[in-house]
Amino acid sequence: DAKTTQPTSMDCAEGRAANLPCNHSTISGNEYVYWYRQIHSQGPQYIIHGLKNNETNEMASLIITEDRKSSTLILPHATLRDTAVYYCIVRNQAGTALIFGKGTTLSVSS
Amino acid sequence: DTAVSQTPKYLVTQMGNDKSIKCEQNLGHDTMYWYKQDSKKFLKIMFSYNNKELIINETVPNRFSPKSPDKAHLNLHINSLELGDSAVYFCASSQGRRLAEAFFGQGTRLTVV
Repeated sequence: DAKTTQPTSMDCAEGRAANLPCNHSTISGNEYVYWYRQIHSQGPQYIIHGLKNNETNEMASLIITEDRKSSTLILPHATLRDTAVYYCIVRNQAGTALIFGKGTTLSVSS
Repeated sequence: DTAVSQTPKYLVTQMGNDKSIKCEQNLGHDTMYWYKQDSKKFLKIMFSYNNKELIINETVPNRFSPKSPDKAHLNLHINSLELGDSAVYFCASSQGRRLAEAFFGQGTRLTVV
């Protein structure tokens, strides 16, 4: 599976958009990009996933570059409750488990 | 209703004891997982069961033994507990091997003293 690189930490003001980048330059054609987050003391929570096209759901948007070597998770209006560790995971959908890296710690402040 | 529930939430025990952590999911999923999150916050896959069949068994000491009595349950039994077993253990489930929406439990914080 392709390896991902994320910044260790990011800050965001409440109400602003949070843009979390992820590099996955060795991604292969059948690998998806998944995003999960872990709020302190809770289990990881699924956010969104995509293959090529940009995706949007009620939680976030996922922008994948045309060459698929990087992506950005966008939380359009960050709130204090979005403070969490965000994990970018690249995985073949036939894969058998999620492999978590170190993630990005997003701190949202008022 | 909680989708993936683990019991107990906290577990403090002495070295050398044997303990079990239970996990139940009410989502109708057929694949379940155990993850370990250590003090450095790394989440590592330990085991995975699909339709009660073991499909992932990472490099985990033999003292750890998962048991899946049915598709809705995946329990983790740990023998001869050691200090290094102290961690948060998460159970998760998904439908088939699709990874899009794996649901995680709230975790069991195990402390070995």
